[in-house]
Amino acid sequence: AQTVTQSQPEMSVQEAETVTLSCTYDTSESDYYLFWYKQPPSRQMILVIRQEAYKQQNATENRFSVNFQKAAKSFSLKISDSQLGDAAMYFCAFAGGTSYGKLTFGQGTILTVHP
Amino acid sequence: DAGVTQSPTHLIKTRGQQVTLRCSPKSGHDTVSWYQQALGQGPQFIFQYYEEEERQRGNFPDRFSGHQFPNYSSELNVNALLLGDSALYLCASSWGPGTGRGYTFGSGTRLTVV
Repeated sequence: AQTVTQSQPEMSVQEAETVTLSCTYDTSESDYYLFWYKQPPSRQMILVIRQEAYKQQNATENRFSVNFQKAAKSFSLKISDSQLGDAAMYFCAFAGGTSYGKLTFGQGTILTVHP
Repeated sequence: DAGVTQSPTHLIKTRGQQVTLRCSPKSGHDTVSWYQQALGQGPQFIFQYYEEEERQRGNFPDRFSGHQFPNYSSELNVNALLLGDSALYLCASSWGPGTGRGYTFGSGTRLTVV
């Protein structure tokens, strides 16, 4: 079974600064996807960024980028130029192998952005 | 283009009762998955429906059941409600049962069991 671990229950950042959220995972699969989702108080889970495990290049989406270390099974999210609207709960998630149809989520990291 | 729509938004039920939650997937999506999210926790996979059949199931008892209709919408039914069933129930849709493209989530139904 796959597991996803987010070791930072809470993080904070000043507006316009950069913050990195950590995520590690455990799997025996070789083909999988990794995701970062954002959940604001509105409760809707919003896809921030995704990474295919077979791609060595780290995914980027505007101010959001990942550091994917496949051998270390690490998948961190970097938010640059943080904005007040980035404040939310962030979840790392895994999907792949025999469980391709389901997402396995970490426990989440609450991100606070200070003006 | 409507996203994933869930109803109702909030619901209060009494222990032992039965509840039905509804989900309409994003236009163009044919697969629906349901997740349970306890307060302060990550979502837990309940099951996935594709082509009107349950394709995968997580570690949830048989009290949790579902259905998918020909128009791809879905229902989640929970029987004999327990206090521990209180949670946010999220519906997610995708095109096809694989998640390579990522899921689109609804805003959830907050279920409180008293």
